[in-house]
Amino acid sequence: EIVLTQSPGTLSLSPGERATLSCRASQSVSSTYLAWYQQKPGQAPRLLIYGASTRATGIPDRFSGSGSGTDFTLTISRLEPEDFAVYYCQQHGSSPLTFGPGTKVDIK
Amino acid sequence: EVQLVESGGGLVQPGGSLRLSCAASGFTFSSYWMHWVRQAPGKGLVWVSRINSDGSSTSYADSVKGRFTISRDNAKNTLYLQMNSLRAEDTAVYYCARASSSGWYPFDYWGQGTLVTVSS
Repeated sequence: EIVLTQSPGTLSLSPGERATLSCRASQSVSSTYLAWYQQKPGQAPRLLIYGASTRATGIPDRFSGSGSGTDFTLTISRLEPEDFAVYYCQQHGSSPLTFGPGTKVDIK
Repeated sequence: EVQLVESGGGLVQPGGSLRLSCAASGFTFSSYWMHWVRQAPGKGLVWVSRINSDGSSTSYADSVKGRFTISRDNAKNTLYLQMNSLRAEDTAVYYCARASSSGWYPFDYWGQGTLVTVSS
């Protein structure tokens, strides 16, 4: 099983600041199979990034993904009020599919 | 518009059974792999199971293997999760999710979730 570790657990930032979220895999993951999701309280997750760096439909360009192998990053260039949420990385190429524990981005 | 609507959740005693349904609309259901993902209260996302487009292949998380069964009825555009021998640790919101194509793809649409509570 591929274990995903996300850091930090919580990121406290102000609107307009840059957020950098990390996802590390216990073994190499093809970039093709690395995705990021956003989840707000009481809502289902929403796909943000797939293929490690491709924005999903309708996702604003302040969201970007990068990385390869075992280290991946989600960057939010300038936080908007609606971006405060929990972010999960996921590998979907190897069964069992796994999610990271999440990074909560909250308002400082 | 793609829609996934789960139903069937509720309160069940330990050892009991429950069947969840996920009604799909707005897309050609039979062309997509489907998944179940759960989220315990205040916790993260955990993948539960997946089924391929025609229902001939399935996979499960170790924690539910032998107790849960995923299935689909493409004529009814509906995904199912039969849950037997339920335990307290199965308490969670259960989401159905669509893979963005047929295969090991990310989940581009999710239902709103249905809450399963296992308690005496």
